[in-house]
Amino acid sequence: GEDVEQSLFLSVREGDSSVINCTYTDSSSTYLYWYKQEPGAGLQLLTYIFSNMDMKQDQRLTVLLNKKDKHLSLRIADTQTGDSAIYFCAERESWGKLQFGAGTQVVVTP
Amino acid sequence: DAGVIQSPRHEVTEMGQEVTLRCKPISGHDYLFWYRQTMMRGLELLIYFNNNVPIDDSGMPEDRFSAKMPNASFSTLKIQPSEPRDSAVYFCASRGGPEPQHFGDGTRLSIL
Repeated sequence: GEDVEQSLFLSVREGDSSVINCTYTDSSSTYLYWYKQEPGAGLQLLTYIFSNMDMKQDQRLTVLLNKKDKHLSLRIADTQTGDSAIYFCAERESWGKLQFGAGTQVVVTP
Repeated sequence: DAGVIQSPRHEVTEMGQEVTLRCKPISGHDYLFWYRQTMMRGLELLIYFNNNVPIDDSGMPEDRFSAKMPNASFSTLKIQPSEPRDSAVYFCASRGGPEPQHFGDGTRLSIL
C-alpha cells in the first residue's frame, strides 16, 4: 500500500510555534487529515485539507500542502502544554480508506 | 452528538477466551471502521462496512477475528480464541458520506 511518513518526535517550548511534517505517496489523494491523540483517548480530528487547496487556517492551526512534493505540514501557533499529544497525518485513498502515518509525538516544555 | 461509543473501555482476559468488542457509530453515519493500534505496527485498518455490509476485510489478521454489523447502530468485533499477541487498543470509527472519520475512545485489550 501507500506510505505516509512523519518524524517520530518533536520537542517545543511553550509559546513557540510547532511544525509537524508529513510526506505521502498517493498523488490521487483527495483529502489529507491531521488527527490528535492524547493518552488513553481516541483520535480526534483536528483539521483537513482538500487536495486542490494549498493552505488552510483554523485558529492556531495552519495546514500547508505542497502537492508537487507530496508534503503536508501542520503548524501550531503559540503552542500550549495541552498540545502535548501524538499527531497523525492521514491521506484518503480510494473508497475513503485512510492511510495513517506512524504519528509524531509532540512534547511541550515550560 | 454522543460521538462513537465503544465498550468495554478495558478488557483483560486469559488466552483462549472469546473476546467481544462493541461499537455504536454516530447516528446517521453509513460507514464504520475497525482499527487496531500497537506500538510495533501503528494503526491498522481491520475491516470496514458501508450500510452494514462488509466492504473490505483484508486487514483482518486471521480467521480468529470476525466482525458483524447487524444494524446501522451497532457493530461487534470478536476474537475467538484470543492470544497474547492480540493485545492492543482497538478503535471503532464512523463516517457519514464524504465527511471525515470520527473515532471512539477505544478498547484497551490485554490477553494474558
